Amino acid sequence: EAQVTQNPRYLITVTGKKLTVTCSQNMNHEYMSWYRQDPGLGLRQIYYSMNVEVTDKGDVPEGYKVSRKEKRNFPLILESPSPNQTSLYFCASSRSGQGYEQYFGPGTRLTVT
Amino acid sequence: GQNIDQPTEMTATEGAIVQINCTYQTSGFNGLFWYQQHAGEAPTFLSYNVLDGLEEKGRFSSFLSRSKGYSYLLLKELQMKDSASYLCAVRNYGGSQGNLIFGKGTKLSVKP
Repeated sequence: EAQVTQNPRYLITVTGKKLTVTCSQNMNHEYMSWYRQDPGLGLRQIYYSMNVEVTDKGDVPEGYKVSRKEKRNFPLILESPSPNQTSLYFCASSRSGQGYEQYFGPGTRLTVT
Repeated sequence: GQNIDQPTEMTATEGAIVQINCTYQTSGFNGLFWYQQHAGEAPTFLSYNVLDGLEEKGRFSSFLSRSKGYSYLLLKELQMKDSASYLCAVRNYGGSQGNLIFGKGTKLSVKP
């Protein structure tokens, strides 16, 4: 089954404790992206990757890191999480090029205390 | 600046037609997407417009006017399962082809 998976689905952590949210897709998509979704603010893009070893900042990259060493994986790293990073995070992937829709993972709900 | 505007909430009756508007101001334009998102779930793709005009897909249609920075999503024969948030998103060519900007979404409630 074609899908985007994220782990963990739920995470409660403390300020400053490094964490990684994994994202994997099995559709051989070139493009992958991370978003956060907050009430009243909608979906905002954190980082995206057009292909392996090619990443770029979205609209809200501060406090996050990403890497794209393999085509299927695009982990999101929070080196020193803070409470303002409490959010619902979505990973998405698509074929590259104009008009291809993004397939979203199920989401990771992160709480930083 | 870059901005995408949609109504926050709308209510409609089962079986009716509803139009959800989206206006955008971005530094570039390389296509507009509509996504549906049920509460607690991931967004799913509905439609894509890059040229002016109407795209029809079953009960859903989407319209684009690039000169006006305007799009709408039309939902016909509304069903209860259409109760969801509808997200308008613009691919911002000005920054990068990978930069996708979402509106805050329109929460649609369908009443019996």
